[in-house]
Amino acid sequence: QVQLVQSGAEVKKPGASVKVSCKASGYTFTSYDINWVRQATGQGLEWMGWMNPNSGNTGYAQKFQGRVTMTRNTSISTAYMELSSLRSEDTAVYYCARGHCTNGVCDWFDPWGQGTLVTVSS
Amino acid sequence: QSVLTQPPSVSAAPGQKVTISCSGSSSNIGNNYVSWYQQLPGTAPKLLIYDNNKRPSGIPDRFSGSKSGTSATLGITGLQTGDEADYYCGTWDSSLSAGGVFGGGTKLTVL
Repeated sequence: QVQLVQSGAEVKKPGASVKVSCKASGYTFTSYDINWVRQATGQGLEWMGWMNPNSGNTGYAQKFQGRVTMTRNTSISTAYMELSSLRSEDTAVYYCARGHCTNGVCDWFDPWGQGTLVTVSS
Repeated sequence: QSVLTQPPSVSAAPGQKVTISCSGSSSNIGNNYVSWYQQLPGTAPKLLIYDNNKRPSGIPDRFSGSKSGTSATLGITGLQTGDEADYYCGTWDSSLSAGGVFGGGTKLTVL
């Protein structure tokens, strides 16, 4: 079955970077964009950006421009999201999700990874 | 502050019907498809409705979606205690800051 499996929880100090992985299985990895969405505790969903695993092209939300980098390794069907200059407000669960996208517009996200908790604390 | 506006909470008794609204603008809902996600406590969001009103395989027909102009609605009939969850609408925003946008989420309580 189609699934996305993410790496485990991380604890980082302010100013550090974190890299979360998302391994895809059950479908052709290069055929669908991977999007990243985060959710702070008790808060709503916040879209961070997308990556096309075939071309490596990316698009980031303005809020994260300059701090986020999305990459992939097609040989192991894995996408990565790296967030730098971490601050306490970045403490959240980070999700990857397969995007159903056409011409640069993603209409829906399915499935989602199980989530990775990133805690930023001194 | 979410781009899409949802009521923070709704409630109804088992067996009843409930609707959840999602309001946006011409740059998002007005010109793109709407999707809906269910998030049970402690789990990842799950796709409930896509392309405004389509249900993925395995989603019961108790769940329905509609869109009119710059607003969308999720309907749930025959409420069950297992439907207690947070529900999010989502779409794409085609403005200068293009990207995915979500509502703030609606907590459904089945009394």
